[in-house]
Amino acid sequence: KAGVTQTPRYLIKTRGQQVTLSCSPISGHRSVSWYQQTPGQGLQFLFEYFSETQRNKGNFPGRFSGRQFSNSRSEMNVSTLELGDSALYLCASSLEGLGDTQYFGPGTRLTVL
Amino acid sequence: AQSVTQPDIHITVSEGASLELRCNYSYGATPYLFWYVQSPGQGLQLLLKYFSGDTLVQGIKGFEAEFKRSQSSFNLRKPSVHWSDAAEYFCAVGAQGNTPLVFGKGTRLSVIA
Repeated sequence: KAGVTQTPRYLIKTRGQQVTLSCSPISGHRSVSWYQQTPGQGLQFLFEYFSETQRNKGNFPGRFSGRQFSNSRSEMNVSTLELGDSALYLCASSLEGLGDTQYFGPGTRLTVL
Repeated sequence: AQSVTQPDIHITVSEGASLELRCNYSYGATPYLFWYVQSPGQGLQLLLKYFSGDTLVQGIKGFEAEFKRSQSSFNLRKPSVHWSDAAEYFCAVGAQGNTPLVFGKGTRLSVIA
């Protein structure tokens, strides 16, 4: 079974731009979560989607948003990029939700200049 | 609120030596506990997990961990470290239901000849 895939793997943007990251979960997994990883803050939960609905949300500003499609694929969008948004963005999928084992993708490395 | 403490930021061991990485958690109910490993530039790979039952759990790559409720600990062990084990290790706590994973800050493992 293929694992979680994320595209693109690397992105370079400038301040004020917006960016969209994509995540394809493991086949059969209906829950997709997003995490931000930075050296200073570590791994922080952004949000979780299940059946095309945001079910849980972390403590991030509204510039961070996401959506999930009917095939469980998910996208994450960050608008009005700031230097502090530079991070590794990890997507995780699970069968039914946050109470199940989370399987992570390779991440998208976003650099904001 | 859940929290996870990994007291050791960086550990160096010799190849062939034994390894123990410490993890302490704080959570009111019975936690779900995980260890993940991250190689440079990569996502998180699940090493092992504890949901219930036997407190000694076996994982991949020869790792094991022991859940000790009285000490609120879930330490990771390996009897003989290989150079390929050099990576960053993250302990995480979750719970039944819609609770996102909370990660420790990680322990970086270096392996010397």
